[in-house]
Amino acid sequence: GAGVSQSPSNKVTEKGKDVELRCDPISGHTALYWYRQSLGQGLEFLIYFQGNSAPDKSGLPSDRFSAERTGGSVSTLTIQRTQQEDSAVYLCASSLDGGAGTDTQYFGPGTRLTVL
Amino acid sequence: KQEVTQIPAALSVPEGENLVLNCSFTDSAIYNLQWFRQDPGKGLTSLLLIQSSQREQTSGRLNASLDKSSGRSTLYIAASQPGDSATYLCAVSGGNQFYFGTGTSLTVIP
Repeated sequence: GAGVSQSPSNKVTEKGKDVELRCDPISGHTALYWYRQSLGQGLEFLIYFQGNSAPDKSGLPSDRFSAERTGGSVSTLTIQRTQQEDSAVYLCASSLDGGAGTDTQYFGPGTRLTVL
Repeated sequence: KQEVTQIPAALSVPEGENLVLNCSFTDSAIYNLQWFRQDPGKGLTSLLLIQSSQREQTSGRLNASLDKSSGRSTLYIAASQPGDSATYLCAVSGGNQFYFGTGTSLTVIP
């Protein structure tokens, strides 16, 4: 079946603009994760959705970042008033159940965000 | 805060060699540990997942071990092939948080 998809694959924006990144998880997966991978650095966990529960937002780097998941499926990561340090590859993953990471995570190809 | 370290940062081996990648973590209160590979410009592919109650997992030429008490995991790759060239990442989960190491870049020379 189809894997995790993300759109757009590349996004170039100007400093101060808002951007929305989209993630379509694997059908039937209840857990969804967002990560950020900056150049030369490891993956940074951002946020985790498990079913219809309120997400754990403690990993979001600032209040300019927000995420939502509609109908327990598609998720949108929004970055307001983008800064150059937001430039990174944003990766989304989903897993069948989740339960604090008990299942294998399947990753999408990522969205490369460049803030000029 | 959990810290995950991977050594070495880069490794180059001739084809056919067996090799070991290392991952260490500072907090042993984890739910599981996963090994991933990342190919240039692509997302991550899960290789093996070890639950906290398990000691090892095997898939084909790959074997991953977990020693929670010492905060260590190893990924053993047998009979390496050029197609194994990639960055290998380990990640631990605990308390709804997920922590990745910075990876080991592996090059297998034909």
